[in-house]
Amino acid sequence: GENVEQHPSTLSVQEGDSAVIKCTYSDSASNYFPWYKQELGKGPQLIIDIRSNVGEKKDQRIAVTLNKTAKHFSLHITETQPEDSAVYFCAAGVNSGYSTLTFGKGTMLLVSP
Amino acid sequence: GAGVSQSPSNKVTEKGKDVELRCDPISGHTALYWYRQSLGQGLEFLIYFQGNSAPDKSGLPSDRFSAERTGGSVSTLTIQRTQQEDSAVYLCASSIGLGETQYFGPGTRLLVL
Repeated sequence: GENVEQHPSTLSVQEGDSAVIKCTYSDSASNYFPWYKQELGKGPQLIIDIRSNVGEKKDQRIAVTLNKTAKHFSLHITETQPEDSAVYFCAAGVNSGYSTLTFGKGTMLLVSP
Repeated sequence: GAGVSQSPSNKVTEKGKDVELRCDPISGHTALYWYRQSLGQGLEFLIYFQGNSAPDKSGLPSDRFSAERTGGSVSTLTIQRTQQEDSAVYLCASSIGLGETQYFGPGTRLLVL
């Protein structure tokens, strides 16, 4: 089955800096890669996703890149703000028919003012 | 519109008791998923439904766990004879179809004493 590795497990940055979280996956059939943000006491919220037909996607301060050859994808947050502090999860799945998502173990991002 | 809702939000039970966790998906979403999140860990996939059917139950941790979905809407996850290791946050997600973006509920925090 799919295996998703996520690094780092914790990340501390100063407000205004950029943050990068990286994930690798094992199943070459995976073609859908969402990122979720989970705040304390809440369920994960989708922040951005990418499908394998594109290499990069941006949404304001958030961008995701995908390298299918190397089987890795990354989340980039620019101009970080204290409210970006949360746990971020990457996931990989197959966007057709039977589909589950395999999640990474999460990255706790702390943005200090 | 309304998101995924789960009830109860918190549940404390004694070892050996049965518990039922409920998930109300987003209206019109045909696919429904259950995950378990242990403290500080990633999301562990348990089971998914397409309509009322659960084709693959292999993600359920033991035969004490069962799930059903009726009317293509509400789903119930039942844990019989609860054990302390069942303590976790149980998350439900739904998507408009299999392989589409999953939207999560706030979770049920289960504590087995």
